[in-house]
Amino acid sequence: EDQVTQSPEALRLQEGESSSLNCSYTVSGLRGLFWYRQDPGKGPEFLFTLYSAGEEKEKERLKATLTKKESFLHITAPKPEDSATYLCAVQEGSYIPTFGRGTSLIVHP
Amino acid sequence: SQTIHQWPATLVQPVGSPLSLECTVEGTSNPNLYWYRQAAGRGLQLLFYSVGIGQISSEVPQNLSASRPQDRQFILSSKKLLLSDSGFYLCAWGRLGRTNYGYTFGSGTRLTVV
Repeated sequence: EDQVTQSPEALRLQEGESSSLNCSYTVSGLRGLFWYRQDPGKGPEFLFTLYSAGEEKEKERLKATLTKKESFLHITAPKPEDSATYLCAVQEGSYIPTFGRGTSLIVHP
Repeated sequence: SQTIHQWPATLVQPVGSPLSLECTVEGTSNPNLYWYRQAAGRGLQLLFYSVGIGQISSEVPQNLSASRPQDRQFILSSKKLLLSDSGFYLCAWGRLGRTNYGYTFGSGTRLTVV
């Protein structure tokens, strides 16, 4: 069973159409949940770290939230340049974070 | 500022040939270093990590090995490549206990074994 599950696998939006990506996890002692953005052919770029339920972080059109079982990455009024794969990673205790398989987002103009 | 360099960007190698991918970090000392492999639709698979010179931990038994000859240098190697070694290889660095900045990844190497 995967510790980290991301959904949907792929998402197509029209420019300006807000939506959310989901990252659910099953670890018991969450130390941190991380969101990354990855452009095709490049390494992931760090976006946020969330530590406890109820925490929220924002960056431009992105807002990440965390509950005890999942995290959401909300994208408000997306633009074509927001197209990328968004990766979630979960760290349990002192272990190295485990990555999900990602959500591929395409925003059409 | 900290930067991470990874090369080459693209590599096509025949089955049975050796492999050496190099990663170096600038602007920091004693980083934790990581090698990941990313296959289509399968997320990031941790291959090796290192918390210091000469200290290597392997996460997945396979045809690959890693070495850390210097504090900011991390090398991924293979003596004989298999077709299944094809993939996108990423080097990353991070700080144990300091998660607020996540990991910093290199630009990756696309390896195709033919």
